[in-house]
Amino acid sequence: KNEVEQSPQNLTAQEGEFITINCSYSVGISALHWLQQHPGGGIVSLFMLSSGKKKHGRLIATINIQEKHSSLHITASHPRDSAVYICALLINTGTASKLTFGTGTRLQVTL
Amino acid sequence: DAGITQSPRHKVTETGTPVTLRCHQTENHRYMYWYRQDPGHGLRLIHYSYGVKDTDKGEVSDGYSVSRSKTEDFLLTLESATSSQTSVYFCAISGRERGQAFFGQGTRLTVV
Repeated sequence: KNEVEQSPQNLTAQEGEFITINCSYSVGISALHWLQQHPGGGIVSLFMLSSGKKKHGRLIATINIQEKHSSLHITASHPRDSAVYICALLINTGTASKLTFGTGTRLQVTL
Repeated sequence: DAGITQSPRHKVTETGTPVTLRCHQTENHRYMYWYRQDPGHGLRLIHYSYGVKDTDKGEVSDGYSVSRSKTEDFLLTLESATSSQTSVYFCAISGRERGQAFFGQGTRLTVV
C-alpha cells in the first residue's frame, strides 16, 4: 500500500472553476509539500505545511494532521494553472529528512 | 531561483556505458538528493547526502552510486547503464531545519 495517495489522478476544468486536489497519507510526517510541475519543466514547491492552512494568491493549502489528509485548492482557475500537482510527505529519519511523493494530479484548465 | 543546476539536461547513451550526472548548488545546503521520475511511479529516491562524503541509499539505489567530495556538488553515476535506467532524474536540496526543498530542472536520460 502506498504511503501517500492523491486524487483525482486527472482533472479537467474550465477557466474560472474552483479546483480541489486531495492527498491522503498513512504515516507520521513532519510536514507536507505541495509541488507544481509544468510540462517539460522543473518542480517547484508551492507550500510546505505542518498544520492549518496557507494561502498564496489563488492557491490555498490545508492539512489535517489527525485525519492525515491535505487539500490543495485553486480559486478562479486559469489555463496557466495547467500542470501536474504533487503531494510530498516530509519524513525525518536519523540522518536526513526525506520526501515521499504521490504520483501526482494532472490538471488541465481550458478556456 | 534556488541556485541548483543539473548537467547535462539531456543525454542519450548506449547500454553498458558509464554515465555521470552532476548536481551543483550555490546555497550551501547540507542535504542533497537524487530522484528519478517515471510514469506511474512518481518521484523515487535513489541516493541522498547529509554532508561531504556522507551518503546513503534510497529506495531505488541498485545500479547507481554517488559521490560528494564538496558541499556544492553531488554526482550520480550509472556504472553500466541499462534501458531500465531511462528516466528523468532530479536533484534536490533541502535545509533540514526548515524542511524546504528546491529542485533542479531535471536531466532526461535515454539509454538505447
